[in-house]
Amino acid sequence: DGGITQSPKYLFRKEGQNVTLSCEQNLNHDAMYWYRQDPGQGLRLIYYSQIVNDFQKGDIAEGYSVSREKKESFPLTVTSAQKNPTAFYLCASSSDRSANEKLFFGSGTQLSVL
Amino acid sequence: AQSVTQLGSHVSVSEGALVLLRCNYSSSVPPYLFWYVQYPNQGLQLLLKYTSAATLVKGINGFEAEFKKSETSFHLTKPSAHMSDAAEYFCAVNRGGYQKVTFGTGTKLQVIP
Repeated sequence: DGGITQSPKYLFRKEGQNVTLSCEQNLNHDAMYWYRQDPGQGLRLIYYSQIVNDFQKGDIAEGYSVSREKKESFPLTVTSAQKNPTAFYLCASSSDRSANEKLFFGSGTQLSVL
Repeated sequence: AQSVTQLGSHVSVSEGALVLLRCNYSSSVPPYLFWYVQYPNQGLQLLLKYTSAATLVKGINGFEAEFKKSETSFHLTKPSAHMSDAAEYFCAVNRGGYQKVTFGTGTKLQVIP
């Protein structure tokens, strides 16, 4: 079945450490996104990519980095500069640039600080 | 300014009762509106979306929403709640441009047996 796979499901970060969250899709979608979810705050856009080798900052990009070397993959690195990384991270994709196209989501990664 | 507002972070209904989850959007944004549902420890999935073809939109699992331009609202309803409807529901709006989706803060629905 086609879908989005995020790994790991749970991740722990030590202070000063960079960690990378994986996101892979086999839906042949051009666009991919990373969202951060905090309780009571909804979802906030971190980065998005419309095409391979191109990506744009979202609303809360500071302390995060991404790459898009393959259409199927859009990993997110949470750097040591992100001082409050504890959150639920969701990867999403979409097939079209039209404004009413739906997003497909992975099952998320819960990141916690040790 | 926030583009979409969900009233009530928690809503409780009895099994079999009407479900009403409220969403209001900013009139300055294009009306590309969505409702998503999130079950615990999972991603979001689309319930329904407004496409301008009809003001009453039917979605999955018996949910529907009515677009009211005069009230800038897109409330989600279901005539009879089921235990399996317990989840968090997000209203979202596309701010225009390439997938610039803004999500509301979410409403957790509790269904009481």
